[in-house]
Amino acid sequence: QKEVEQNSGPLSVPEGAIASLNCTYSDRGSQSFFWYRQYSGKSPELIMSIYSNGDKEDGRFTAQLNKASQYVSLLIRDSQPSDSATYLCAVNFEVGTASKLTFGTGTRLQVTL
Amino acid sequence: GAGVSQSPRYKVAKRGQDVALRCDPISGHVSLFWYQQALGQGPEFLTYFQNEAQLDKSGLPSDRFFAERPEGSVSTLKIQRTQQEDSAVYLCASSPQTDTQYFGPGTRLTVL
Repeated sequence: QKEVEQNSGPLSVPEGAIASLNCTYSDRGSQSFFWYRQYSGKSPELIMSIYSNGDKEDGRFTAQLNKASQYVSLLIRDSQPSDSATYLCAVNFEVGTASKLTFGTGTRLQVTL
Repeated sequence: GAGVSQSPRYKVAKRGQDVALRCDPISGHVSLFWYQQALGQGPEFLTYFQNEAQLDKSGLPSDRFFAERPEGSVSTLKIQRTQQEDSAVYLCASSPQTDTQYFGPGTRLTVL
């Protein structure tokens, strides 16, 4: 059974701080990793994708991947109240193009004023 | 441009009724996925189409669930003889020839 694990939270950070969200996955051969943001009652929205070891930055978001440790994280700098949402980690366990994603249960982030 | 659309957005069914959920993918997207999301959980894969071909239906929970995409565009997920455990949000996602998936707004199904 291929699994993706996340701490369900809530993770509470003050406005302006760095939020760090973590995810581990079970299959060392996995190739594609994604972070989705989901506001309450809404559908998942893609924030970041990462395929290679190291860091990938996009604005206030940085995704970090360590395949040896089977670990992927998302850092949100200068957290804003509008960042309050559930963050879903998703992994494509199959090599190649479009294929099903396996999601974690999500981490709920609360950014406090 | 237009994103993935789904209809209806909300559906209430009595136990035992059949329901049909529709997904309109982003124009030109070859791949289409259906996921089921229970409250407080991440989406779980149901089935996958590449054009009109259903390449993976390993996530369908029972033979009451059936999906089709006859012309390689619009897809319908049908649930026969609905049960209370079928209550969930049903998400459709589409993808071009990559592994990036774009989700629709979902259909919230409530079975009474």
